[in-house]
Amino acid sequence: KAGVTQTPRYLIKTRGQQVTLSCSPISGHRSVSWYQQTPGQGLQFLFEYFSETQRNKGNFPGRFSGRQFSNSRSEMNVSTLELGDSALYLCASSAEGAAGELFFGEGSRLTVL
Amino acid sequence: GQSLEQPSEVTAVEGAIVQINCTYQTSGFYGLSWYQQHDGGAPTFLSYNALDGLEETGRFSSFLSRSDSYGYLLLQELQMKDSASYFCAVRVRGSQGNLIFGKGTKLSVKP
Repeated sequence: KAGVTQTPRYLIKTRGQQVTLSCSPISGHRSVSWYQQTPGQGLQFLFEYFSETQRNKGNFPGRFSGRQFSNSRSEMNVSTLELGDSALYLCASSAEGAAGELFFGEGSRLTVL
Repeated sequence: GQSLEQPSEVTAVEGAIVQINCTYQTSGFYGLSWYQQHDGGAPTFLSYNALDGLEETGRFSSFLSRSDSYGYLLLQELQMKDSASYFCAVRVRGSQGNLIFGKGTKLSVKP
């Protein structure tokens, strides 16, 4: 079974630009969550989608948005990039009822210059 | 606020036993998870405790005391490959994808 796939793995953007990151969950997983990981703040929850609906949202500004498609693939978008958005963005999928177990992708490392 | 506290660094030698503690203060609690992350890698799931007690999976065990808002991860027969960061995470809501993570404990295993 293929794992969680995230694209692109690395990207460099400049301030003010926008970026879209993609995540393909494990086949059969309908829940997809996004996390931001930085050395200072650690892993922080961005949002969770289930069956194309946002189920939960973390404490991030509206510049961060996401969506989920009918095949459970998910995208997240960050608009008007700031230097502080430089981070590793991790996507995780889980099977419904699988208590506490998230399967993470390798992440998309975003650098904002 | 919501917070999880765990030591930032731990050092141990091969073959030894190490315990990584985690205390949490959260609004809502459904369970405590542990994840391992090697440098440059993805976090990987180790264990989940929803009820008090000890869960054992091979060399790794995890413990939870809900009354003390405390848990720990116990790693036995340490190997060099266990050098990694370990995160505790609390599921605070019914939806399983929303976890609050601790800042992580960097474990260094020395020969």
